[in-house]
Amino acid sequence: GQSLEQPSEVTAVEGAIVQINCTYQTSGFYGLSWYQQHDGGAPTFLSYNALDGLEETGRFSSFLSRSDSYGYLLLQELQMKDSASYFCAAFTGGGNKLTFGTGTQLKVEL
Amino acid sequence: NAGVMQNPRHLVRRRGQEARLRCSPMKGHSHVYWYRQLPEEGLKFMVYLQKENIIDESGMPKERFSAEFPKEGPSILRIQQVVRGDSAAYFCASSPQGGRTEAFFGQGTRLTVV
Repeated sequence: GQSLEQPSEVTAVEGAIVQINCTYQTSGFYGLSWYQQHDGGAPTFLSYNALDGLEETGRFSSFLSRSDSYGYLLLQELQMKDSASYFCAAFTGGGNKLTFGTGTQLKVEL
Repeated sequence: NAGVMQNPRHLVRRRGQEARLRCSPMKGHSHVYWYRQLPEEGLKFMVYLQKENIIDESGMPKERFSAEFPKEGPSILRIQQVVRGDSAAYFCASSPQGGRTEAFFGQGTRLTVV
């Protein structure tokens, strides 16, 4: 089956850097995406890695290592508004089924 | 360009009734996904559809649940004879044809079964 595992909760202080890890076991892996969800609202897309390496988008960066079946989301200069749930997700099984990870609740403190 | 539209936003049904959840994808998107989310939990894949076709329904319960995406009109997730355990947030997402990068989500439908 498909599984993407994440830590359930991460806490960090405002202005700090935090890394949220994702390890996956999937078939037909095409790439890894990251989504943010505030208070049960609509998940919003943050980034996508099709190839190994680091992708940077403003304060957020995402990394993928296919050989290790591992990726992470890096958030820099944390702000209170970054407190949310973060999900990794993978297109699998032919490339169009998007499977989500277990989710990480990020709490940013003063 | 309107985003993914789901309605209703909130739906209350008595046990045994039917629930119909609607999803209009973004313009030009022909791929639709449905997910279920319980409080404090992740997004569980239910079904993936393209126009007039169910591509993957591996996450759908075998009974009482069905989904369609007709040639015209929104995608519909239908739950027959609802039970309390069906209470959850149901999210719809759409992506462009052949897209493997980003899926756009609607605001979800919160179903409460009383």
